[in-house]
Amino acid sequence: QVRLQESGPRLLKPSETLSLTCTVSGDSISSDYWSWIRQPPGKGLEWIGYVYSSGNTNYNPSLNSRVTISVDTSKNQFSLRLTSLTAADTAIYYCARMNSGGFNPWGQGALVTVSS
Amino acid sequence: SYELTQPPSVSVSPGQTATITCSGDEFPRRFAHWYQQKPGQAPILLIYQNFERPAWIPERFSGSSSGTTVTLTITGVQAEDEADYYCQSGDSSGTFVFGSGTKVTVL
Repeated sequence: QVRLQESGPRLLKPSETLSLTCTVSGDSISSDYWSWIRQPPGKGLEWIGYVYSSGNTNYNPSLNSRVTISVDTSKNQFSLRLTSLTAADTAIYYCARMNSGGFNPWGQGALVTVSS
Repeated sequence: SYELTQPPSVSVSPGQTATITCSGDEFPRRFAHWYQQKPGQAPILLIYQNFERPAWIPERFSGSSSGTTVTLTITGVQAEDEADYYCQSGDSSGTFVFGSGTKVTVL
């Protein structure tokens, strides 16, 4: 059974950079696509981007200039980096496996708060 | 940017049928997937590729497609089905989008 777990700092200041890591267990990361999705408190889901095991990426155009997603196959992990944070980036950040059958499974989520 | 349109809310009595629609210009060229999210929990995959149901999802959940609209149907709604439901799809540029979500209230 594949499991995903997000980790990283949860409280950041405006203008800082968010760095989260998703650790995958129960399957090799060297297959399928791996994605980040976020959800501001009380709001809907927003796709951030994905990475393939080869390192190929694709990002939400609305975040493209600030986001980088990378993969480390030796650690079975993939990571999210989001720069120039504002309060609007406060959200629960989820990692998920992605393929032609949608996003499944999801990690439990990590609430990241941006506040001075 | 590509958008998927869902009704904000649906109310249904126990045992009745709930229908949630999702409209998008890329349908039927693109698949739709559906997710259920209960308060404080991560979303789970409910229906994939328009109408396929994962083995762990009860049979009362079904999906269908007609033209530019896909539909999630919950037949014989139970109290535990009270949750937010999201449709999701992609566009020709390889990016992905979620609908705004539909809150299902069981009366």
